[in-house]
Amino acid sequence: DSGVTQTPKHLITATGQRVTLRCSPRSGDLSVYWYQQSLDQGLQFLIQYYNGEERAKGNILERFSAQQFPDLHSELNLSSLELGDSALYFCASSVGQGPNQPQHFGDGTRLSIL
Amino acid sequence: AQKVTQAQTEISVVEKEDVTLDCVYETRDTTYYLFWYKQPPSGELVFLIRRNSFDEQNEISGRYSWNFQKSTSSFNFTITASQVVDSAVYFCALSEAPPLSNTGKLIFGQGTTLQVKP
Repeated sequence: DSGVTQTPKHLITATGQRVTLRCSPRSGDLSVYWYQQSLDQGLQFLIQYYNGEERAKGNILERFSAQQFPDLHSELNLSSLELGDSALYFCASSVGQGPNQPQHFGDGTRLSIL
Repeated sequence: AQKVTQAQTEISVVEKEDVTLDCVYETRDTTYYLFWYKQPPSGELVFLIRRNSFDEQNEISGRYSWNFQKSTSSFNFTITASQVVDSAVYFCALSEAPPLSNTGKLIFGQGTTLQVKP
């Protein structure tokens, strides 16, 4: 158990809809990261927050947005969903914000778009 | 550009065999960090090791060992006396340090699926 909690574990929805994925980091971790894992793209970095502030952005679509709240949990919002958004979405957390931090991953949310 | 290549898509071995998973990286940075993660069939990603670019000492942890060679930009992972429980997808990842970056963004390779047969 990594200590990172992601909900829900599975999500099935239709094209055009909007969903929210939630992540609670390990106790004491200030950084939260979101990654997308798909068969064609592999594991791709989406975005990083540190103590409530955005720190880095990767290949995140404009239809996707995220935030980190004062209690340090994070939400990833995906809107106008397309079939290609079907993927496993991971949240990870680390103590600090820098490149030397081991990241601890949650179990992921599997999103299926019908 | 930063890139991580794991050329071996799938490897199949019989239990107790040794197996090496290859990882080659590209970066313009002089300071960077390399990681290995394991993704078992249950799906979660498990952190295995971190190595910084200034430390080329090999590392051993039980049946696991890592060989970092800056001259060939490689960070290979060897499992000695493999076991069925080692069956998983293994990912190598890179993060860059200042001046090119100071975030935790990980660049992952495509992963190597290891199957250990009894």
